[in-house]
Amino acid sequence: AQSVAQPEDQVNVAEGNPLTVKCTYSVSGNPYLFWYVQYPNRGLQFLLKYITGDNLVKGSYGFEAEFNKSQTSFHLKKPSALVSDSALYFCAVRSHPYSGAGSYQLTFGKGTKLSVIP
Amino acid sequence: GAVVSQHPSRVICKSGTSVKIECRSLDFQATTMFWYRQFPKQSLMLMATSNEGSKATYEQGVEKDKFLINHASLTLSTLTVTSAHPEDSSFYICSAWTGYNSPLHFGNGTRLTVT
Repeated sequence: AQSVAQPEDQVNVAEGNPLTVKCTYSVSGNPYLFWYVQYPNRGLQFLLKYITGDNLVKGSYGFEAEFNKSQTSFHLKKPSALVSDSALYFCAVRSHPYSGAGSYQLTFGKGTKLSVIP
Repeated sequence: GAVVSQHPSRVICKSGTSVKIECRSLDFQATTMFWYRQFPKQSLMLMATSNEGSKATYEQGVEKDKFLINHASLTLSTLTVTSAHPEDSSFYICSAWTGYNSPLHFGNGTRLTVT
């Protein structure tokens, strides 16, 4: 079974400082990895994905994430946090369709609440 | 592109009544849609996978007779919560994808409150 772990329920960071939201995963075969952001009472918005290729993936709103296969991690980062980045962030994984294993369904982590302090 | 519209955004109903939630893909065809439920301060729980023209696939523990899913066209899936009870109060979110390599595109969710 595939799984995602987001070890931090909450991350607090001062505005202008770099931020990191951690994610590790477990999946059979090669992973497809995603980050989503959710604002209060809204659905999820796609930020970025890793399918293949460069380990450093750049996404929306200045976010990026680094795929580390040996550590099975896909941490979300941003060089300079904004107050408007405060939201709930979800990491998600599913297996590569040609890996012959795992589920095509997306498995989400429990979410990390990011608070950017002015 | 790839916009998913979900309606209504908020509904309050009395216990015992049924509520229908619509999920539409506005600018793409979605052969597969997913319905999630989200509890306060918790992650998304996949309820079912909706396939156009066939029966939905429900996750373990989800009552298919209570949460009726219909995917009658390539752009519309509906979730009907039948005989709603207060414990059904939750945030329901639908999603769809344009292909396996694409991310899921989410509706804005429906906040259901059963009184």
